[in-house]
Amino acid sequence: GQNIDQPTEMTATEGAIVQINCTYQTSGFNGLFWYQQHAGEAPTFLSYNVLDGLEEKGRFSSFLSRSKGYSYLLLKELQMKDSASYLCAHMDSNYQLIWGAGTKLIIKP
Amino acid sequence: TAGITQAPTSQILAAGRSMTLRCTQDMRHNAMYWYRQDLGLGLRLIHYSNTAGTTGKGEVPDGYSVSRANTDDFPLTLASAVPSQTSVYFCASSDSVSSPDTQYFGPGTRLTVL
Repeated sequence: GQNIDQPTEMTATEGAIVQINCTYQTSGFNGLFWYQQHAGEAPTFLSYNVLDGLEEKGRFSSFLSRSKGYSYLLLKELQMKDSASYLCAHMDSNYQLIWGAGTKLIIKP
Repeated sequence: TAGITQAPTSQILAAGRSMTLRCTQDMRHNAMYWYRQDLGLGLRLIHYSNTAGTTGKGEVPDGYSVSRANTDDFPLTLASAVPSQTSVYFCASSDSVSSPDTQYFGPGTRLTVL
């Protein structure tokens, strides 16, 4: 079967670093996506990993280990505007996205 | 570029009534998707379309129907709404259906069925 897990909620301090983990199980894999979703808004694309390793994009980085079924999103120099939900999704063998429930990130001053 | 538009923004609907949620994209993307998002659950795929004229069932298709008469439009119809269909509905699109591609989302429709 297919399953994807991520923490429900995390709290971090402005200016700090936070790592949001995501684990998945799947019989077919075509990559791992991270999306950001502010309250009341649509999800927006952050990153895509299909090969093992770290992809860095400004303050945000995403890591993938296919053998472990594991990914994380690393956010550096946290800003108040980073308060949002972060959605992890893997793409299955039919190129459909299987979504986690999302991690609500609360940033405190 | 507008991207993806959805209408209405929100709606309160009496149980048993029918309703069509509209979705239009101007990116000429091949694939379109309808998801529902409920608190504590991930986005769940209702129906999808890989190209105009074709549709497919997702994870939670019961009670919903779709059509894809052209590339741009992908309406979602609830024939007889029930309270469990209260949710936020997102339409999305992507260019490729045969390789990994980013999905772009519309602003969503918040539907309450009473």
